[in-house]
Amino acid sequence: GENVEQHPSTLSVQEGDSAVIKCTYSDSASNYFPWYKQELGKRPQLIIDIRSNVGEKKDQRIAVTLNKTAKHFSLHITETQPEDSAVYFCAAKNNDYKLSFGAGTTVTVRA
Amino acid sequence: EAGVAQSPRYKIIEKRQSVAFWCNPISGHATLYWYQQILGQGPKLLIQFQNNGVVDDSQLPKDRFSAERLKGVDSTLKIQPAKLEDSAVYLCASSLRLAGGGSEQFFGPGTRLTVL
Repeated sequence: GENVEQHPSTLSVQEGDSAVIKCTYSDSASNYFPWYKQELGKRPQLIIDIRSNVGEKKDQRIAVTLNKTAKHFSLHITETQPEDSAVYFCAAKNNDYKLSFGAGTTVTVRA
Repeated sequence: EAGVAQSPRYKIIEKRQSVAFWCNPISGHATLYWYQQILGQGPKLLIQFQNNGVVDDSQLPKDRFSAERLKGVDSTLKIQPAKLEDSAVYLCASSLRLAGGGSEQFFGPGTRLTVL
């Protein structure tokens, strides 16, 4: 089955700086890669996703890049704000339609 | 549009007791998922339905866990009997379809289960 690894497990950044989270996946057939943000005690919410036919996608301060050859994808948050503090999960979906999640990255934005 | 609804939000039981969780997906969503999220980890898929049929239950501990979606809308997840290691948040999610556009999953608020 699919195995998704996520790094780092914790990330502390100064407000205004950028944050980068990296994930690797094992199944070359995976074709959909969403990122979820989960605030303490709340549900995971989709913030951005990318499909395997696209190399990069951007939405305001958030961008995701995908390298199919290396089987890794990354989340970039620019100009971080205190409200960006949360746990971020990457995930990968393969042809079995199963979504496999990474272990999560706890992001803390210092004011 | 209304989101995914789950109940109860919290449940505390003793080991060997039984518990059931309920999920109502977003209207029109054919696919429904149950995840287990242990503290500090990512969600782990337990079972996946397409309408009222099971697509994948390979990670469901079938000796104690069961789930159904009889009319292809609401779903229930049951644990009988519960063990200490079942303490987790149980998340329900739904999507319009399995793959392609519209396969994005929307999560419910979860049920936090504590087994004593």
